[in-house]
Amino acid sequence: GESVGLHLPTLSVQEGDNSIINCAYSNSASDYFIWYKQESGKGPQFIIDIRSNMDKRQGQRVTVLLNKTVKHLSLQIAATQPGDSAVYFCAENNFNKFYFGSGTKLNVKP
Amino acid sequence: GAVVSQHPSRVICKSGTSVKIECRSLDFQATTMFWYRQFPKQSLMLMATSNEGSKATYEQGVEKDKFLINHASLTLSTLTVTSAHPEDSSFYICSASPGANTNEKLFFGSGTQLSVL
Repeated sequence: GESVGLHLPTLSVQEGDNSIINCAYSNSASDYFIWYKQESGKGPQFIIDIRSNMDKRQGQRVTVLLNKTVKHLSLQIAATQPGDSAVYFCAENNFNKFYFGSGTKLNVKP
Repeated sequence: GAVVSQHPSRVICKSGTSVKIECRSLDFQATTMFWYRQFPKQSLMLMATSNEGSKATYEQGVEKDKFLINHASLTLSTLTVTSAHPEDSSFYICSASPGANTNEKLFFGSGTQLSVL
Protein backbone atom coordinates (compact mmCIF):
# COMPACT_ATOMS: atom_id res chain seq x y z
CA GLY A 1 0.00 0.00 0.00
CA GLU A 2 0.91 3.60 -0.14
CA SER A 3 3.07 5.12 2.55
CA VAL A 4 1.45 7.54 4.92
CA GLY A 5 3.87 8.83 7.51
CA LEU A 6 3.96 11.18 10.47
CA HIS A 7 6.62 13.66 11.51
CA LEU A 8 6.36 13.28 15.31
CA PRO A 9 5.92 9.97 17.11
CA THR A 10 5.13 11.58 20.48
CA LEU A 11 3.63 14.92 21.36
CA SER A 12 3.30 16.25 24.90
CA VAL A 13 1.10 19.26 25.57
CA GLN A 14 -0.23 21.06 28.59
CA GLU A 15 -3.90 20.76 29.35
CA GLY A 16 -5.73 23.67 27.79
CA ASP A 17 -3.17 24.24 25.06
CA ASN A 18 -3.78 23.55 21.40
CA SER A 19 -2.30 20.45 19.79
CA ILE A 20 -1.18 20.00 16.22
CA ILE A 21 -0.54 16.55 14.82
CA ASN A 22 0.97 16.22 11.35
CA CYS A 23 0.84 13.61 8.63
CA ALA A 24 2.49 13.28 5.23
CA TYR A 25 1.04 11.15 2.49
CA SER A 26 2.69 9.93 -0.65
CA ASN A 27 -0.07 9.32 -3.19
CA SER A 28 -1.15 12.52 -4.88
CA ALA A 29 -4.17 10.70 -6.29
CA SER A 30 -5.64 10.08 -2.84
CA ASP A 31 -8.87 12.00 -2.52
CA TYR A 32 -10.16 11.24 0.94
CA PHE A 33 -8.54 11.33 4.36
CA ILE A 34 -9.64 10.47 7.89
CA TRP A 35 -8.16 11.15 11.29
CA TYR A 36 -8.64 8.48 13.93
CA LYS A 37 -8.06 8.36 17.67
CA GLN A 38 -7.10 5.08 19.27
CA GLU A 39 -7.01 4.39 22.97
CA SER A 40 -5.08 1.47 24.34
CA GLY A 41 -6.68 -1.90 23.56
CA LYS A 42 -9.50 -0.40 21.54
CA GLY A 43 -10.39 0.03 17.89
CA PRO A 44 -9.80 3.37 16.16
CA GLN A 45 -12.44 6.02 16.67
CA PHE A 46 -13.43 8.34 13.82
CA ILE A 47 -12.60 11.97 14.52
CA ILE A 48 -12.92 13.95 11.33
CA ASP A 49 -12.54 13.51 7.60
CA ILE A 50 -11.75 15.66 4.61
CA ARG A 51 -11.97 15.26 0.87
CA SER A 52 -9.37 16.53 -1.55
CA ASN A 53 -11.63 19.26 -2.90
CA MET A 54 -11.36 21.00 0.47
CA ASP A 55 -8.39 22.43 2.33
CA LYS A 56 -9.97 22.84 5.74
CA ARG A 57 -12.74 21.28 7.75
CA GLN A 58 -13.82 21.99 11.28
CA GLY A 59 -15.52 19.87 13.87
CA GLN A 60 -16.08 20.19 17.56
CA ARG A 61 -12.68 21.34 18.94
CA VAL A 62 -10.92 19.75 15.97
CA THR A 63 -9.82 21.09 12.61
CA VAL A 64 -8.22 19.21 9.76
CA LEU A 65 -6.08 21.01 7.22
CA LEU A 66 -5.11 19.53 3.88
CA ASN A 67 -2.28 20.85 1.76
CA LYS A 68 -2.31 18.93 -1.51
CA THR A 69 0.68 20.80 -2.88
CA VAL A 70 3.00 19.26 -0.33
CA LYS A 71 0.80 16.24 0.44
CA HIS A 72 0.38 17.13 4.07
CA LEU A 73 -2.42 16.77 6.58
CA SER A 74 -2.71 18.17 10.05
CA LEU A 75 -5.11 17.72 12.93
CA GLN A 76 -5.56 20.61 15.30
CA ILE A 77 -7.16 20.01 18.68
CA ALA A 78 -8.24 23.11 20.54
CA ALA A 79 -8.06 23.36 24.33
CA THR A 80 -6.59 19.89 24.69
CA GLN A 81 -8.02 17.86 27.55
CA PRO A 82 -6.71 14.81 29.45
CA GLY A 83 -9.30 12.71 27.63
CA ASP A 84 -7.58 13.55 24.37
CA SER A 85 -4.57 11.48 25.38
CA ALA A 86 -4.35 8.66 22.83
CA VAL A 87 -2.60 7.68 19.62
CA TYR A 88 -3.76 9.54 16.53
CA PHE A 89 -3.58 8.13 13.02
CA CYS A 90 -4.28 9.62 9.65
CA ALA A 91 -5.67 7.29 7.02
CA GLU A 92 -5.50 7.76 3.29
CA ASN A 93 -8.03 6.34 0.87
CA ASN A 94 -6.26 4.78 -2.07
CA PHE A 95 -8.19 2.67 -4.58
CA ASN A 96 -11.07 2.42 -2.10
CA LYS A 97 -8.88 1.08 0.67
CA PHE A 98 -7.63 2.91 3.72
CA TYR A 99 -3.97 2.88 4.62
CA PHE A 100 -2.74 4.19 7.92
CA GLY A 101 0.19 6.33 8.94
CA SER A 102 2.56 5.40 11.74
CA GLY A 103 0.69 7.31 14.43
CA THR A 104 1.42 10.03 16.97
CA LYS A 105 1.00 9.52 20.67
CA LEU A 106 -0.51 12.56 22.34
CA ASN A 107 0.25 13.04 26.03
CA VAL A 108 -1.76 15.70 27.80
CA LYS A 109 -0.15 16.95 30.99
CA PRO A 110 -2.49 18.21 33.70
CA GLY B 1 -22.06 6.75 14.01
CA ALA B 2 -22.38 3.26 12.58
CA VAL B 3 -21.65 0.37 14.90
CA VAL B 4 -19.28 -2.45 14.10
CA SER B 5 -19.18 -5.29 16.58
CA GLN B 6 -16.26 -7.68 16.86
CA HIS B 7 -16.06 -10.91 18.83
CA PRO B 8 -14.24 -12.20 20.77
CA SER B 9 -12.36 -9.30 22.30
CA ARG B 10 -9.60 -11.54 23.55
CA VAL B 11 -8.57 -15.10 22.82
CA ILE B 12 -5.73 -17.27 24.02
CA CYS B 13 -5.04 -20.46 22.14
CA LYS B 14 -2.43 -23.15 21.81
CA SER B 15 -0.06 -23.25 18.90
CA GLY B 16 -1.49 -25.21 15.97
CA THR B 17 -5.12 -24.46 16.66
CA SER B 18 -7.40 -22.28 14.54
CA VAL B 19 -9.18 -19.20 15.78
CA LYS B 20 -12.23 -17.54 14.28
CA ILE B 21 -12.98 -13.84 14.72
CA GLU B 22 -16.37 -12.40 13.85
CA CYS B 23 -17.13 -8.92 12.61
CA ARG B 24 -20.70 -7.66 12.39
CA SER B 25 -22.20 -4.43 11.17
CA LEU B 26 -25.07 -3.86 13.58
CA ASP B 27 -27.07 -1.06 12.04
CA PHE B 28 -26.09 -1.09 8.41
CA GLN B 29 -25.27 -3.45 5.60
CA ALA B 30 -21.72 -3.75 4.37
CA THR B 31 -20.81 -5.37 1.08
CA THR B 32 -17.19 -4.72 1.91
CA MET B 33 -15.34 -5.09 5.19
CA PHE B 34 -11.66 -4.67 5.92
CA TRP B 35 -9.39 -6.61 8.22
CA TYR B 36 -6.39 -4.98 9.85
CA ARG B 37 -3.62 -6.24 12.05
CA GLN B 38 -1.77 -4.19 14.63
CA PHE B 39 1.36 -5.01 16.59
CA PRO B 40 2.10 -3.21 19.86
CA LYS B 41 2.95 0.44 19.41
CA GLN B 42 2.62 0.16 15.66
CA SER B 43 0.14 1.27 13.06
CA LEU B 44 -2.71 -0.65 11.53
CA MET B 45 -1.72 -2.80 8.61
CA LEU B 46 -4.37 -3.67 6.06
CA MET B 47 -4.51 -7.43 5.60
CA ALA B 48 -7.42 -8.01 3.29
CA THR B 49 -10.67 -6.76 1.87
CA SER B 50 -13.67 -8.95 2.52
CA ASN B 51 -16.30 -8.91 -0.20
CA GLU B 52 -19.81 -10.22 0.35
CA GLY B 53 -20.53 -13.14 -1.93
CA SER B 54 -17.08 -13.30 -3.46
CA LYS B 55 -13.49 -14.03 -2.59
CA ALA B 56 -11.51 -11.75 -0.37
CA THR B 57 -8.62 -9.81 -1.79
CA TYR B 58 -5.40 -9.89 0.16
CA GLU B 59 -2.66 -7.33 0.49
CA GLN B 60 0.80 -8.22 -0.69
CA GLY B 61 2.59 -10.48 1.75
CA VAL B 62 -0.53 -11.71 3.52
CA GLU B 63 -1.04 -15.47 3.25
CA LYS B 64 -4.58 -16.19 2.13
CA ASP B 65 -4.39 -19.81 3.29
CA LYS B 66 -3.30 -18.64 6.71
CA PHE B 67 -5.95 -16.00 7.14
CA LEU B 68 -9.23 -17.31 5.80
CA ILE B 69 -11.95 -14.76 5.25
CA ASN B 70 -15.61 -15.46 4.75
CA HIS B 71 -18.20 -12.78 4.08
CA ALA B 72 -21.39 -14.79 3.91
CA SER B 73 -23.88 -12.01 4.51
CA LEU B 74 -24.16 -8.26 4.31
CA THR B 75 -23.63 -7.95 8.05
CA LEU B 76 -21.04 -10.59 8.88
CA SER B 77 -17.44 -11.24 7.96
CA THR B 78 -15.21 -13.77 9.67
CA LEU B 79 -11.45 -14.08 9.83
CA THR B 80 -10.01 -17.48 10.70
CA VAL B 81 -6.38 -17.68 11.69
CA THR B 82 -5.48 -21.25 10.76
CA SER B 83 -2.83 -23.28 12.56
CA ALA B 84 -1.93 -20.30 14.68
CA HIS B 85 1.63 -19.82 15.88
CA PRO B 86 3.11 -17.39 18.41
CA GLU B 87 4.10 -14.98 15.63
CA ASP B 88 0.41 -14.63 14.77
CA SER B 89 -0.19 -13.06 18.15
CA SER B 90 -1.50 -9.60 17.43
CA PHE B 91 -4.44 -7.23 17.67
CA TYR B 92 -6.88 -7.86 14.82
CA ILE B 93 -9.41 -5.20 13.92
CA CYS B 94 -12.22 -5.21 11.40
CA SER B 95 -13.89 -2.24 9.81
CA ALA B 96 -16.75 -1.40 7.52
CA SER B 97 -18.36 1.57 5.86
CA PRO B 98 -22.09 2.26 5.79
CA GLY B 99 -21.72 4.18 2.57
CA ALA B 100 -22.64 2.98 -0.85
CA ASN B 101 -19.01 2.56 -1.74
CA THR B 102 -15.75 2.13 0.13
CA ASN B 103 -14.68 5.73 -0.25
CA GLU B 104 -16.75 6.69 2.73
CA LYS B 105 -16.30 6.92 6.49
CA LEU B 106 -14.81 3.75 7.88
CA PHE B 107 -15.89 2.52 11.29
CA PHE B 108 -14.00 0.00 13.35
CA GLY B 109 -14.77 -2.82 15.68
CA SER B 110 -13.25 -2.94 19.13
CA GLY B 111 -10.57 -5.38 18.07
CA THR B 112 -9.52 -8.90 19.06
CA GLN B 113 -6.33 -9.52 20.98
CA LEU B 114 -4.99 -12.91 19.92
CA SER B 115 -2.35 -14.58 22.04
CA VAL B 116 -0.91 -17.86 20.77
CA LEU B 117 0.99 -19.90 23.32
